[in-house]
Amino acid sequence: GEDVEQSLFLSVREGDSSVINCTYTDSSSTYLYWYKQEPGAGLQLLTYIFSNMDMKQDQRLTVLLNKKDKHLSLRIADTQTGDSAIYFCAETPPLGDDKIIFGKGTRLHILP
Amino acid sequence: EADIYQTPRYLVIGTGKKITLECSQTMGHDKMYWYQQDPGMELHLIHYSYGVNSTEKGDLSSESTVSRIRTEHFPLTLESARPSHTSQYLCASKDGGMNTEAFFGQGTRLTVV
Repeated sequence: GEDVEQSLFLSVREGDSSVINCTYTDSSSTYLYWYKQEPGAGLQLLTYIFSNMDMKQDQRLTVLLNKKDKHLSLRIADTQTGDSAIYFCAETPPLGDDKIIFGKGTRLHILP
Repeated sequence: EADIYQTPRYLVIGTGKKITLECSQTMGHDKMYWYQQDPGMELHLIHYSYGVNSTEKGDLSSESTVSRIRTEHFPLTLESARPSHTSQYLCASKDGGMNTEAFFGQGTRLTVV
């Protein structure tokens, strides 16, 4: 069955880069997503990558996809205190009933 | 900004009470979802709908029920609340197609005492 795995916690000093990793099991997934959840709020889409891409960059965010290893990462350059949140990796397998499969979330903590 | 709203944001209620959590979206999305989020962050899909009069149970068994009488409205009901129902409930919607963003409401934090 589909499964998405993430490490649960990450601490990074302000100004450093944060790298959040994710592995998924459904190799047929066409799109992979990163969502951000700030305290007391719902989830908000940060970025996504199509499965035929290796990398996507959007300002401070870089997404890397290794389809062979089913590994997805999110790099946040120059991490700021406002980046403190929970980050969810997600996939929508192309077959089936259009469910969104979320990882358990990585809590990013920013050290001063 | 997402046009999906959940009410109430916070609810503290006694055991045995019936409650309905509201979720409304103005984007005309066919697909809607309810997730239960643990204090430890994990999201569990408990219900989803493909459109009017369509409701399906999610991956996590839940004693709640849902209805979809109108496209924009997807309420979740607990007939008899218990302390084990204490959690955060998140509603989401998305359009059709393979690559469409899911929009989330702010969530309802439910505490059953």
